[in-house]
Amino acid sequence: DAKTTQPNSMESNEEEPVHLPCNHSTISGTDYIHWYRQLPSQGPEYVIHGLTSNVNNRMASLAIAEDRKSSTLILHRATLRDAAVYYCILRERSNDYKLSFGAGTTVTVRA
Amino acid sequence: EPEVTQTPSHQVTQMGQEVILRCVPISNHLYFYWYRQILGQKVEFLVSFYNNEISEKSEIFDDQFSVERPDGSNFTLKIRSTKLEDSAMYFCASSVENLRGYTFGSGTRLTVV
Repeated sequence: DAKTTQPNSMESNEEEPVHLPCNHSTISGTDYIHWYRQLPSQGPEYVIHGLTSNVNNRMASLAIAEDRKSSTLILHRATLRDAAVYYCILRERSNDYKLSFGAGTTVTVRA
Repeated sequence: EPEVTQTPSHQVTQMGQEVILRCVPISNHLYFYWYRQILGQKVEFLVSFYNNEISEKSEIFDDQFSVERPDGSNFTLKIRSTKLEDSAMYFCASSVENLRGYTFGSGTRLTVV
C-alpha cells in the first residue's frame, strides 16, 4: 500500500538541476516528508525532510506544495556522484512515524 | 562526520548456523534500527530499539531474530538458525531522535549457503 508515488527513473546532465517529484495525496497535518538516497552498493543516506515549509540544506532543497499533497526534491547541480535511487517517504503519525522505503526513483547523471 | 560502523562487511554462513551482525551506532544517538535489503528488492524495516528495549518490529522479525545492546556502544542483530532466504544486505541505522534523519551504516552482506 504505497503512500507515495514517484517516477521509476529520471535522467539528468551533469551540472544541471534535477527536480524529483513525489505525490503523497493521503498526507495528514502531522505527517513528515523525508527523502533518502541510496548510492550503488551503499546504505541509504538521509537527504532532507520537511513538514509544511520549504527546506534547504547543503545537499538539496525540498519544495512542498501548498496543499502538501506533493513535494519536489531539488538537486541544484547534479554531479556523477548524485547517481542513486532517491526515496520519498511519508512518515505518518498514524503509523508511529515508521521509516518505510518504497521503490524510489533511479537517477542517472550523464557526463 | 560521525558514522555508523558495521562489521563484518561480508559474512558467509551455512544454513542452520547462528550469525551475529555487529553495529556501532553514533555515540550520542538514542534510537537504533535494523533494516535488510534482499538483492534487487526494497529496503525493509526489521526492528527499532530504544531505551534498551524493542520499540517496534516487523513481521519479518520472528523468533529467530534478536537484538541486543550489550555494552552501551555495540548494537547487534542475531539470527539463530539461518535460512537461505535470510541472504541479504543488513543495514544498521541510528538517530538522535525518532523523527530526525537516520544515519545508516554501509551494511553487512549475509550469504547463507
